[in-house]
Amino acid sequence: ETGVTQTPRHLVMGMTNKKSLKCEQHLGHNAMYWYKQSAKKPLELMFVYSLEERVENNSVPSRFSPECPNSSHLFLHLHTLQPEDSALYLCASSQDGGFSEAFFGQGTRLTVV
Amino acid sequence: GQNIDQPTEMTATEGAIVQINCTYQTSGFNGLFWYQQHAGEAPTFLSYNVLDGLEEKGRFSSFLSRSKGYSYLLLKELQMKDSASYLCAADVGNTPLVFGKGTRLSVIA
Repeated sequence: ETGVTQTPRHLVMGMTNKKSLKCEQHLGHNAMYWYKQSAKKPLELMFVYSLEERVENNSVPSRFSPECPNSSHLFLHLHTLQPEDSALYLCASSQDGGFSEAFFGQGTRLTVV
Repeated sequence: GQNIDQPTEMTATEGAIVQINCTYQTSGFNGLFWYQQHAGEAPTFLSYNVLDGLEEKGRFSSFLSRSKGYSYLLLKELQMKDSASYLCAADVGNTPLVFGKGTRLSVIA
């Protein structure tokens, strides 16, 4: 068990659909992150939440909308995505907002058709 | 700006030793992480170097030179299960880790 759980593991959605990715961490960490991993590109940081407050948003299109209802849960709401948004979306958590080791979830493999 | 460079792909033979290099140019630097990521799985932590020098952990060792902006991951006695991507990531302070693109290592018989 990784301590960070993501659901679903795989998702296929049409460009007009609305879906949500879920992440839950059981490590008592204060910070949670969404990363996007496309083939042959670095991990791209999308959003950072520290103590349930959004502290970073790296110019992510508005079709991606994060939600952090508490320190253990993180959502990524998706709507009207594009085919180029197909990627592996990784959730991670850490004890604090950047210095310490990040623990990753298994990721959601998203395909937009 | 933040820049992390590592080779895209490497191939090595089972039982051999392989060194995966990483160079970084960052504004601010606290330390360097190495992660292992098997295909379709999450990255898992391998090492974190803060001070210059070599740190050994079983078959894996990691080296850091802060003055040169350089690190490497050394894998000994390679096994087939070591085939994976190896991600170099810089800890640059108050922001989350800056990742390289990863090096895809293939171990062949």
